[in-house]
Amino acid sequence: KAGVTQTPRYLIKTRGQQVTLSCSPISGHRSVSWYQQTPGQGLQFLFEYFSETQRNKGNFPGRFSGRQFSNSRSEMNVSTLELGDSALYLCASSLGLGVGDVNEQFFGPGTRLTVL
Amino acid sequence: TQLLEQSPQFLSIQEGENLTVYCNSSSVFSSLQWYRQEPGEGPVLLVTVVTGGEVKKLKRLTFQFGDARKDSSLHITAAQPGDTGLYLCAGSNIYGGATNKLIFGTGTLLAVQP
Repeated sequence: KAGVTQTPRYLIKTRGQQVTLSCSPISGHRSVSWYQQTPGQGLQFLFEYFSETQRNKGNFPGRFSGRQFSNSRSEMNVSTLELGDSALYLCASSLGLGVGDVNEQFFGPGTRLTVL
Repeated sequence: TQLLEQSPQFLSIQEGENLTVYCNSSSVFSSLQWYRQEPGEGPVLLVTVVTGGEVKKLKRLTFQFGDARKDSSLHITAAQPGDTGLYLCAGSNIYGGATNKLIFGTGTLLAVQP
């Protein structure tokens, strides 16, 4: 079974621009979560989508947004890029079961975003 | 705010040595996952522990979930260079509702010298 794929793998942008990252989850998985990883802050949760609805959101500014399509693929968008947005952006997919269920998450290789 | 502290932050050992990594919190988690991450790649899931006191073994790796579900440990026996990487614990709390949000630990960078 194919794993989680993320595109592009590398991206260089300048301050003020916007960027869209894409994630294709494992077939059959309905939940997609996004994380930001930086050397200083580690891995931080951005948001989670389940069945095209945002189910949870982390403590990030409104410049960070996302969406999920009917085929469970997800995109995240960062507008008005800042230098501090340089990071590895990771997508994780899981079955997305209901309350009380343990959902193992599987990560993609990430998109390395550099903001100049 | 739920936090997970890992110790040690860095560990450099010789091949064949044993080691233990700790993951501690003041909060209760419904489950805890351990990942290993290599440079430039995403974290790879090693194990999920759910029950307080649970012990799981994966070849030379032994994982334990604390009785109170606030802490966990990872023990590696006879470490090999292939074990080198960043080890991350991540907790999940589903008591408040369905969620896949993971709270990640601070990470332990392990280097095993041949």
